[in-house]
This record gives sequence, C-alpha cells and structure tokens, in this order.
Amino acid sequence: QLQLQESGPGLVQSSETLSLTCTVSGGSISTSSYYWTWIRQPPGKGLEWVGNIYYTGTTHYNPSLKSRVSIFKDTSKNQFSLKLNSVTSADTAVYFCARPRSEYYYSMDVWGQGTTVAISS
Amino acid sequence: DIQLTQSPSALSASIRDRVTITCRASQSISNYLHWFQQKPGKAPKLLIYAASTLQSDVPSRFSGSGSGTDFTLTISSLQPEDFATYYCQQTSSPPWTFGQGTKVEIK
Repeated sequence: QLQLQESGPGLVQSSETLSLTCTVSGGSISTSSYYWTWIRQPPGKGLEWVGNIYYTGTTHYNPSLKSRVSIFKDTSKNQFSLKLNSVTSADTAVYFCARPRSEYYYSMDVWGQGTTVAISS
Repeated sequence: DIQLTQSPSALSASIRDRVTITCRASQSISNYLHWFQQKPGKAPKLLIYAASTLQSDVPSRFSGSGSGTDFTLTISSLQPEDFATYYCQQTSSPPWTFGQGTKVEIK
C-alpha cells in the first residue's frame, strides 16, 4: 500500500529557503506515468496546489510561486522534495505531498499527513 | 487560471438530511473535477473523482454529478462522521485549483 510522509523543519526564518521532503513507501517514485505533487494550506484557509514532478523529472509549478519554487526527486532514496526561496509569513502553512493518478484524471488518492511550517521574522 | 466557486460556503444540517454542494468552474473542465472531504488536522480525503466516480471505500451515500462547468456533490443521508469541510478541485489544466471549501456543520 502506497504511503507518503513529509519531513522538514517546522520553523524557517523569513527570507530564507523552505525545504521539505516526501518519502514514498509501498511503491516506486520512478513508476512509469506517475506524478507527485505538493499542496499547501495556510492556517484556517483553503488548499493551494504548489506543483508537480513527473516520473521523468518534468515539473509544473503554480505561476503564483514559479520564480521561488523548485521540486526535484531522488530516486535512490525514493523521495521527492520541495524548495521555496525567499519565504515570507504568507508561506506559513501545512504542506502536503500527494500522488495524482494520471490514469484517473489526475485525482489524488494518496496523501501524506502534512507537515506544518511556520515562517518567523 | 480556472476559478472554482463553491456554494454555499457553509451550511447547517441535521443527521439524515440530504445535502447538496455545488461547484462552478470559470471555463469548461470536461469532467476533470474531484471532491475531497477534510476534517480538522487531517489531510483531505478523495471522495469522488472524474465528477461522478466514487472512490473505493467511500460510502455510497456520497455521489457526484456534472460536466463542463457545473458540478454537484450530494450526501443522500448525512451521518455524524460527515461533518467536515468539502473541497472541489480541477485538474483540467495547470495550475490545478481548488474551490474555497464548504463547511458542513451540525444544526
């Protein structure tokens, strides 16, 4: 059974870089046609798609974050990661990793539990 | 970007009530529309994908309909465990976007 687990620092200084990792178990991050995604949720607010990485390494990002965000994968560790530069208080959120199923209209059936990141000034 | 507008933003309902939530897209998204349930402190849970297909292990009281720009999530008989926030999401074209959410509360 596929499982995802986010990890990373819970507190990041303003203007620094936020770095999070999602560890995949029960399946391979290199499986053909698989996407992997990051989604975030500010406190008390709705969900925002951050970006995807395809099994080939191709990435797509939310234009609202595009200049600051990068997603990459480490197949040897079966992990994919998020880096967000120049963070501000607006980046305070719970960050989720998830798996969109390309064969089912990219619906996300497996999610990590989420990790809370606070940006301090 | 494709905007998704959910209505209502919140509703109060009683056990065994029939509940309907709508999601309207700013342009046609075919059936690239999914519904999630989220409880406090938890990750969203996929209920319906491709507008009307019930995700495995989701109770049959949940159903979805629609295509193009107008979609509906229906709970046929509200149960205590259904009090939560519900989100629609489109994956027709990036950036993938979510509705603002509908909070279902106990009357």
